[in-house]
Amino acid sequence: QSALTQPASVSGSPGQSITISCTGTSSDVGGYNYVSWYQQHPGKAPKLMIYDVSKRPSGVSNRFSGSKSGNTASLTISGLQAEDEADYYCCSYAGSTVVFGGGTKLTVL
Amino acid sequence: EVQLVESGGGLVQPGGSLKLSCAASGFTFSGSAMHWVRQASGKGLEWVGRIRSKANSYATAYAASVKGRFTISRDDSKNTAYLQMNSLKTEDTAVYYCTSQEIWFGELKDYWGQGTLVTVSS
Repeated sequence: QSALTQPASVSGSPGQSITISCTGTSSDVGGYNYVSWYQQHPGKAPKLMIYDVSKRPSGVSNRFSGSKSGNTASLTISGLQAEDEADYYCCSYAGSTVVFGGGTKLTVL
Repeated sequence: EVQLVESGGGLVQPGGSLKLSCAASGFTFSGSAMHWVRQASGKGLEWVGRIRSKANSYATAYAASVKGRFTISRDDSKNTAYLQMNSLKTEDTAVYYCTSQEIWFGELKDYWGQGTLVTVSS
């Protein structure tokens, strides 16, 4: 039940695109199409941005997109905006349990 | 409006016990699984465990780090989920969130509480 692997930090300038990776195993990310991505601003509860690998809840900007290849899922944010600066966590179903990634701090330069 | 309100957090000594509550409103609590997720200060999110609905036999599952020490239960008549924490360790210090999801007109809705702080210290 190890945490999924994410880069500790990524950065980009306003208007650019960035991608955050999330690597697991065939027992979690690779085994199910149940990968979610959460955004968390300091002192706030996490907010769902992507679910089921690539689905976007209503109200979430279409600048956010998700994908998966093998044991690695990815979150892409296009047209970076200052308000996107936050921590991002991937999350995967893993059989009867759930596992989160270690989190990635996104800095908008 | 959907609300999840955690309560019961506080300071407890190592080896002690604490029971958290999560009062839900605004969605079909009885039909939804309830999860607990924790976050130590400055650290990432960690899934603690979940309890499924009555239709799914109230099945529970736990993270390896808490299995055998924590127990999740629910009272559908009170729209409340619980997290009983025993044999607490200093590393259990964290903000504890309850979360749930439901499918609403084909779309996933995701709900989180504001969290309650548990501090395990002598």
